[in-house]
Amino acid sequence: GENVEQHPSTLSVQEGDSAVIKCTYSDSASNYFPWYKQELGKRPQLIIDIRSNVGEKKDQRIAVTLNKTAKHFSLHITETQPEDSAVYFCAATAGGSYIPTFGRGTSLIVHP
Amino acid sequence: NAGVTQTPKFQVLKTGQSMTLQCAQDMNHNSMYWYRQDPGMGLRLIYYSASEGTTDKGEVPNGYNVSRLNKREFSLRLESAAPSQTSVYFCASRFQGEEKLFFGSGTQLSVL
Repeated sequence: GENVEQHPSTLSVQEGDSAVIKCTYSDSASNYFPWYKQELGKRPQLIIDIRSNVGEKKDQRIAVTLNKTAKHFSLHITETQPEDSAVYFCAATAGGSYIPTFGRGTSLIVHP
Repeated sequence: NAGVTQTPKFQVLKTGQSMTLQCAQDMNHNSMYWYRQDPGMGLRLIYYSASEGTTDKGEVPNGYNVSRLNKREFSLRLESAAPSQTSVYFCASRFQGEEKLFFGSGTQLSVL
């Protein structure tokens, strides 16, 4: 089955800095890569996703990049703000399965 | 729309007790999922229901049973709770043909 590795487990930045979270996956059949944000005590919510036919996608201050050859994808947050503090999960889904495999999560802390 | 509703929000059990976690969605979604979240372990799939009347095991099904009562409801049962089942449980649902998961607010379960 699919295996998703996520790094780092904890990331601490100053407000205004950029943050990068990296994930690798093992199954070459995976073709959908979502990112979920979970604020403290809340439910995970989808913030951005990317499909295997796209190399990069942006939405305001967040962006995702995908390198299919290396089986590697990343979340980039620019101009971080305290409200970006949360746990971020990457996931990979093999085509047609609709069952995402999640990474272990990254706790992002943005210091004012 | 309430989205995905889970009950109860908190529960404390003694080892060997049984209980059922309830999940209901009002978004006319076809697929429903049960995940458990443990510190440093991400979200791990317990059971999955692609549609009413079908259920499949996920990554960590041992000690659990599920029932897809109808299209709206998907319950998770612990027949004989063990301390290793102390966790936060999330139910999620998805509309047919779409990848995005909608999560409930979670159930925090402690087994003493």
